[in-house]
Amino acid sequence: DTAVSQTPKYLVTQMGNDKSIKCEQNLGHDTMYWYKQDSKKFLKIMFSYNNKELIINETVPNRFSPKSPDKAHLNLHINSLELGDSAVYFCASSPPGQLYEQYFGPGTRLTVT
Amino acid sequence: GDSVTQMEGPVTLSEEAFLTINCTYTATGYPSLFWYVQYPGEGLQLLLKATKADDKGSNKGFEATYRKETTSFHLEKGSVQVSDSAVYFCALKVQGAQKLVFGQGTRLTINP
Repeated sequence: DTAVSQTPKYLVTQMGNDKSIKCEQNLGHDTMYWYKQDSKKFLKIMFSYNNKELIINETVPNRFSPKSPDKAHLNLHINSLELGDSAVYFCASSPPGQLYEQYFGPGTRLTVT
Repeated sequence: GDSVTQMEGPVTLSEEAFLTINCTYTATGYPSLFWYVQYPGEGLQLLLKATKADDKGSNKGFEATYRKETTSFHLEKGSVQVSDSAVYFCALKVQGAQKLVFGQGTRLTINP
């Protein structure tokens, strides 16, 4: 039983394309996150949703747009992909009142060529 | 702002060696402190936590003590195993804040 799942696991695409990454959690958590991890393993938060409401929106190009259709799902759509978008993208969720205890998905490795 | 600084990696040790990974922080408020671990090809998972000064978090043989006077939360393990090879992240969350602040990660490799 996967707690936080992401699809796809790998994504290879060309510059200029538009792509989406999907995330689902079956833990009943209210809060979900998107992180970007670069090649040096540095982890940067991008967005967070609490019960479908956007609560964190870090300095991210507006080519990135998160969408939360319900509190179990948080998708990330990226327009006009650039080489610098290549990274591993992690989805995470946390239980109510315990924002520090985050459960991470396995990651989506995005490669832009 | 809030920040976390970890010792530079990579760290390479032999099995059964003693491990210390240093972590210091600056925080605008009273933080809770955490260590997360990322095994190869996986997402991060919470390893241990401490929510107030002098608390000691422990799990899987790892320990870290919240030292407010030195703003530190160093990770230690007495005898490492090959299976401990991973990237370790120190993190903090200030009371009332919505997000975790992560350090840059320290890659640990244990050789048999």
